[in-house]
Amino acid sequence: DTEVTQTPKHLVMGMTNKKSLKCEQHMGHRAMYWYKQKAKKPPELMFVYSYEKLSINESVPSRFSPECPNSSLLNLHLHALQPEDSALYLCASSRKKEASTDTQYFGPGTRLTVL
Amino acid sequence: GNSVTQMEGPVTLSEEAFLTINCTYTATGYPSLFWYVQYPGEGLQLLLKATKADDKGSNKGFEATYRKETTSFHLEKGSVQVSDSAVYFCALSDQGSSNTGKLIFGQGTTLQVKP
Repeated sequence: DTEVTQTPKHLVMGMTNKKSLKCEQHMGHRAMYWYKQKAKKPPELMFVYSYEKLSINESVPSRFSPECPNSSLLNLHLHALQPEDSALYLCASSRKKEASTDTQYFGPGTRLTVL
Repeated sequence: GNSVTQMEGPVTLSEEAFLTINCTYTATGYPSLFWYVQYPGEGLQLLLKATKADDKGSNKGFEATYRKETTSFHLEKGSVQVSDSAVYFCALSDQGSSNTGKLIFGQGTTLQVKP
């Protein structure tokens, strides 16, 4: 089983709203990732968690707040977003980030629209 | 720094035609190389991977060989189907000194297969 699940599938929010994206995997992976993908572009890395600790923040604005409550779950909390934050948000996981041969498995994404 | 360059699309082929999507990379060390496919409205799916020079990755009729001498990882398929229409991303694993596990993506190549 190489499944990463993400909820919700679609999300529309106003600039003053607070919402959260959820990602879950049950493959025993210890590295989890958030990516942002704009239309017709490759994914851009936002955050990396390794063994439930934040190891990489790619200079992401503080209106995006990641959380890893346990080894299977990854959340992305959203607050005071801008319309330019509208994108597909992808979660991925891999066995561990230290192994460069590891494969990252992606979820289906959450399509976010900020009004 | 590390980078991946893919041929620009869209690539339009008739069903049963031969497919080649070129991918070249610049990297220090010995990165792993990946091809991911993204169908409309979906997340990324791993298509194939290769972890060392001269390795051949293959899956669902697609193949790519890790060529260190030409720093290339071209994707090929002998006979494409309409269902292969998607965006294809070439990627390498970042093996920089921090060993981040970061994937470096090419810009993506859109494939359209017509009946």
